[in-house]
Amino acid sequence: DTAVSQTPKYLVTQMGNDKSIKCEQNLGHDTMYWYKQDSKKFLKIMFSYNNKELIINETVPNRFSPKSPDKAHLNLHINSLELGDSAVYFCASILGQGNTEAFFGQGTRLTVV
Amino acid sequence: GQQVMQIPQYQHVQEGEDFTTYCNSSTTLSNIQWYKQRPGGHPVFLIQLVKSGEVKKQKRLTFQFGEAKKNSSLHITATQTTDVGPYFCGGATNKLIFGTGTLLAVQP
Repeated sequence: DTAVSQTPKYLVTQMGNDKSIKCEQNLGHDTMYWYKQDSKKFLKIMFSYNNKELIINETVPNRFSPKSPDKAHLNLHINSLELGDSAVYFCASILGQGNTEAFFGQGTRLTVV
Repeated sequence: GQQVMQIPQYQHVQEGEDFTTYCNSSTTLSNIQWYKQRPGGHPVFLIQLVKSGEVKKQKRLTFQFGEAKKNSSLHITATQTTDVGPYFCGGATNKLIFGTGTLLAVQP
């Protein structure tokens, strides 16, 4: 029973396309994050939602739009994909806003060709 | 804004050697967390440090939190090939910001 699940695990798409990545957690946590991990393994925060409300938006292009229909789900929609968007995207959830451990999804490897 | 830096970015050791990664935050933290990511996998929580000057051990791993609660270190004694992977510190204030990570390679 996966605590934080992301779909899809792999995504290959052409430049200019629009795609979505979905994330769901069954832990009852309040806060969910999207992180981007590039080829150098740097883990950069993108967005954070607390109880369906956006609380962090870290200088991410507005082609990226998160959506949280409820506190168990945080989806990421990307418009007009660019080559530089290729990375692994991780969803994570936390009880509270950072005082407890983060549980990560298995990641979505996005390749833009 | 809050920044968390880690050094070194990359470390290559021979099996049996020790390894240390350092984490520095631009702001005072409420806690620091350490994660390990296995190759091809996702970051997995190792430990959380909350108190100023706190030291915790997990088998061959020793974690320290600085007195000012702005820096931390992870030390691995006698590395094994199973220790390979990026190690991340996560600095928590009202959000969880990860350090740049240290990629550990262990040669048998």
